Amino acid sequence: EAQVTQNPRYLITVTGKKLTVTCSQNMNHEYMSWYRQDPGLGLRQIYYSMNVEVTDKGDVPEGYKVSRKEKRNFPLILESPSPNQTSLYFCASRAVTGASSYNSPLHFGNGTRLTVT
Amino acid sequence: AQSVTQPDIHITVSEGASLELRCNYSYGATPYLFWYVQSPGQGLQLLLKYFSGDTLVQGIKGFEAEFKRSQSSFNLRKPSVHWSDAAEYFCAVVLTRNAGGTSYGKLTFGQGTILTVHP
Repeated sequence: EAQVTQNPRYLITVTGKKLTVTCSQNMNHEYMSWYRQDPGLGLRQIYYSMNVEVTDKGDVPEGYKVSRKEKRNFPLILESPSPNQTSLYFCASRAVTGASSYNSPLHFGNGTRLTVT
Repeated sequence: AQSVTQPDIHITVSEGASLELRCNYSYGATPYLFWYVQSPGQGLQLLLKYFSGDTLVQGIKGFEAEFKRSQSSFNLRKPSVHWSDAAEYFCAVVLTRNAGGTSYGKLTFGQGTILTVHP
């Protein structure tokens, strides 16, 4: 089954304690992206990756890091989490090569709810 | 700047009633437009999309949307709402970006509209 898998689904941590949220897709998609969802703000892009070893900042990258060492994985790293990073996080992927570069839909994971106290 | 606006934060309808969710965009060229739905505890699922051609597009679950260039709108409609349609709905526009030698589309989402369905 084609899917994007995020782990964990729920995470409660304390300020300053490094954490990683994993994301894996089995569709051989080139493009992967992280979003955070906050009430009244919709989804805002944190980082994205066009392919292996190619990453770039989205709209709200501060306080986050990513890596893309393999095509299927795109972990989100919070080196020193703060309470304002409490949010619902989504990983997504899609194909971007050929004719599908504009019209291929994003496939989303089920989300990770992070609470930083 | 390019943007997507969903004017209604929360809409409540009765089951069987018709539904229209509003979406307005600000974009210089003809946009690529999407509607996604997010059920509780789930990721987002694509409902429908518009790129060109017929301005009335059909999607899954009985939804449709109409692109109106003159109004910069892409409103989502359903003639008869079911209780299972209760969810949050997001309008999104694709903005053209270039990175690593590849041109691709970056999705920008609206703020979302929460739909409540009364029995």
